[in-house]
Amino acid sequence: EDKVVQSPLSLVVHEGDTVTLNCSYEVTNFRSLLWYKQEKKAPTFLFMLTSSGIEKKSGRLSSILDKKELFSILNITATQTGDSAVYLCAVAETSGSRLTFGEGTQLTVNP
Amino acid sequence: DVKVTQSSRYLVKRTGEKVFLECVQDMDHENMFWYRQDPGLGLRLIYFSYDVKMKEKGDIPEGYSVSREKKERFSLILESASTNQTSMYLCASSPHLAGTTDTQYFGPGTRLTVL
Repeated sequence: EDKVVQSPLSLVVHEGDTVTLNCSYEVTNFRSLLWYKQEKKAPTFLFMLTSSGIEKKSGRLSSILDKKELFSILNITATQTGDSAVYLCAVAETSGSRLTFGEGTQLTVNP
Repeated sequence: DVKVTQSSRYLVKRTGEKVFLECVQDMDHENMFWYRQDPGLGLRLIYFSYDVKMKEKGDIPEGYSVSREKKERFSLILESASTNQTSMYLCASSPHLAGTTDTQYFGPGTRLTVL
């Protein structure tokens, strides 16, 4: 059975801290890994990763994939209270268009 | 911008009622999905559809059915609502561009409470 596991499940930090969120996966035919941010509404797309070792970056957020060790990390530097959200990791397989999601990491950034 | 809308943000129903959750997307996407989201369990796929009148079971289809009569609309039906179906329901859509993009676009969600 395909599996996506995120850690930690919950994290509380202070503004200005740097955080690293983890996502490991076990899928039969990997095609891509996606990160989403979910505040109190629809998840919004952050990154899609398909190749190992190539960092995707958007402002203070960055992500990288390791297809050999089957994991990805999402880094957020100089965190702000607006980064408080649930961060979701999902994996797509070559067999179709469905995604398998992890449980999510609840990030809380305190002022 | 892709827009996915859901018919209700909040819904309260009684046990045994038939419930319809509607989802509409405006980007001519082939694929549409229904998920439920529960604390500690993440998003779990209920049903999805690759085309009009086509449907596929996801991981937790029991107690649910779906309808896709038009490309832009995907409905989730709870034939006889039960309290364990109290949850946040999220609809998503994506283009049929496998390998080019796997991004799914989500609606705002419907928080369903079954009493």
